[in-house]
Amino acid sequence: DSGVTQTPKHLITATGQRVTLRCSPRSGDLSVYWYQQSLDQGLQFLIQYYNGEERAKGNILERFSAQQFPDLHSELNLSSLELGDSALYFCASSVDRQVPDTQYFGPGTRLTVL
Amino acid sequence: KNQVEQSPQSLIILEGKNCTLQCNYTVSPFSNLRWYKQDTGRGPVSLTIMTFSENTKSNGRYTATLDADTKQSSLHITASQLSDSASYICVVSEDLGSGGYNKLIFGAGTRLAVHP
Repeated sequence: DSGVTQTPKHLITATGQRVTLRCSPRSGDLSVYWYQQSLDQGLQFLIQYYNGEERAKGNILERFSAQQFPDLHSELNLSSLELGDSALYFCASSVDRQVPDTQYFGPGTRLTVL
Repeated sequence: KNQVEQSPQSLIILEGKNCTLQCNYTVSPFSNLRWYKQDTGRGPVSLTIMTFSENTKSNGRYTATLDADTKQSSLHITASQLSDSASYICVVSEDLGSGGYNKLIFGAGTRLAVHP
């Protein structure tokens, strides 16, 4: 158990809908990262937040957005969902006080878009 | 273009045998290289992290090597166990300079199956 929690574990929805994925980082970790892993594909970095502020953006679609709240939990919002958005979405957290920092990954949310 | 390539794509070995997984990268400027283990459907778990000045690092039966000149890394697994069956992902960090942030570039992974 990494200490990072993600909810829900599974999500099934229809095209065009909007969903919110939630992540609670490890206690004391200030950075939260979101990744997408499509079937048989590598992990793709989406976005990073550090202490409530967006720090870095990766291959995140405009239909996707994220935020990190004062209590450091984060939410990833996916809208106008398409079939191709079906994937595992991972959240990771790190202390981020030094480089390199170890990222601890959550168990993931499996999103299925029908 | 910054890339990380892993080989082989998949590998089957017998329990108790050793194996070596390869990672070649073109990421520049380089900051560090990580190996992760990912069980099917679960989040990756960090095995090792190496910076430019480190050329070997061990974590139990896992030993990673790094040749920053040739931009190659390997992960050697000794005396494999059934629980080693997983995907092994090589991740190279691009040094973006400002604020200590590094951009992580993931390889596609090597899928290892250990058979009894």
